Amino acid sequence: AQKVTQTQTSISVMEKTTVTMDCVYETQDSSYFLFWYKQTASGEIVFLIRQDSYKKENATVGHYSLNFQKPKSSIGLIITATQIEDSAVYFCAMRDPYQGGRALIFGTGTTVSVSP
Amino acid sequence: GALVYQYPRRTICKSGTSMRMECQAVGFQATSVAWYRQSPQKTFELIALSTVNSAIKYEQNFTQEKFPISHPNLSFSSMTVLNAYLEDRGLYLCGARAWGSQNTLYFGAGTRLSVL
Repeated sequence: AQKVTQTQTSISVMEKTTVTMDCVYETQDSSYFLFWYKQTASGEIVFLIRQDSYKKENATVGHYSLNFQKPKSSIGLIITATQIEDSAVYFCAMRDPYQGGRALIFGTGTTVSVSP
Repeated sequence: GALVYQYPRRTICKSGTSMRMECQAVGFQATSVAWYRQSPQKTFELIALSTVNSAIKYEQNFTQEKFPISHPNLSFSSMTVLNAYLEDRGLYLCGARAWGSQNTLYFGAGTRLSVL
């Protein structure tokens, strides 16, 4: 069965530092897509970054980067130079093959609090 | 950029009544829309996946009789919660997939349903 697990419930960091979040997944697919989203206090869910399983290079977008360790089924999110507005709940997600790959399975989220 | 608008943002309905929520894709064509419900504990439940010109696929525990969905074109989808009760409370999110987006879903800010 497909599963996405985020073990860290919450993380607190100081502004301008780096925060790392963990995510492990289970899948029987040989090719898959992994995503990270951010949910703001208003409830809005924002797509941040995606990793395609067949790509060896870690994806990077702005101050977001991924630590993709395929043998460990792990896809960590790294946020560098954090800002107050990075405070949010971060969700790891994976393509759900049972819906033709058009839906996602989400983890339970990691709450990040950035302090000045 | 890809934007998804959901309305209303918040709604309160009496127990046993129904309410309709809408999802509008702006700036892209939403070939499929995934409707989710997020619990107060932040967990995501996939309700159904709607693809234009295809049958809507409901997940286990969700039915068309309870959550009818309309997806008449590539920019709009709506879902109704019929006979809402306390257990239907939550944040309803629509995730729209754009053609060629490699399964990336773009979300709106959701419709928060409260039931009295």
